[in-house]
Amino acid sequence: AQTVTQSQPEMSVQEAETVTLSCTYDTSESDYYLFWYKQPPSRQMILVIRQEAYKQQNATENRFSVNFQKAAKSFSLKISDSQLGDAAMYFCAYRSRSNYKLTFGKGTLLTVNP
Amino acid sequence: DVKVTQSSRYLVKRTGEKVFLECVQDMDHENMFWYRQDPGLGLRLIYFSYDVKMKEKGDIPEGYSVSREKKERFSLILESASTNQTSMYLCASTSLSEKLFFGSGTQLSVL
Repeated sequence: AQTVTQSQPEMSVQEAETVTLSCTYDTSESDYYLFWYKQPPSRQMILVIRQEAYKQQNATENRFSVNFQKAAKSFSLKISDSQLGDAAMYFCAYRSRSNYKLTFGKGTLLTVNP
Repeated sequence: DVKVTQSSRYLVKRTGEKVFLECVQDMDHENMFWYRQDPGLGLRLIYFSYDVKMKEKGDIPEGYSVSREKKERFSLILESASTNQTSMYLCASTSLSEKLFFGSGTQLSVL
């Protein structure tokens, strides 16, 4: 079974600084998707960024980028120029291409200090 | 705009009660999911459904059942609620795209 590990239960960053959230996963498959979801206090889950495993290029979305290391099974999220609105719980998630079931990590609570 | 609606934001029930959590999506999605979220444990999959009347167990199905009589509606049923089922419940749906659309969650307290 696939597992997703987020080793940092909590992280903090100063406003305007850069922070990196870690995620590793375990799978025997070669074709899959990886995601970062954000959950602010409103509880609404918001997709931040996704990566397709067969693409070598790291995904970027504005201030959010990933470092995808397929051989190491690592998928970290970098947030640049952190803003107060980035404060939230962040979840890393894995999905096989062959089904729609998402497996989540335990989450990292990010605090942004003014 | 895409919408997944969970019928209650907060719910308080007594031990032993039968509890229904309802989820409706307006996107004609085939796939629907129920997750449970607990602090320090992340989201864990309870059940999912690929089509009407189809269901599959997720990672923690014990104590739960589901119903999908219509494509747009996926219900989670707690046959006899227990205190260890106090949690936040999230419904989600998706179609051919890989993006999962979530509802706003139901915080269930079982006393």
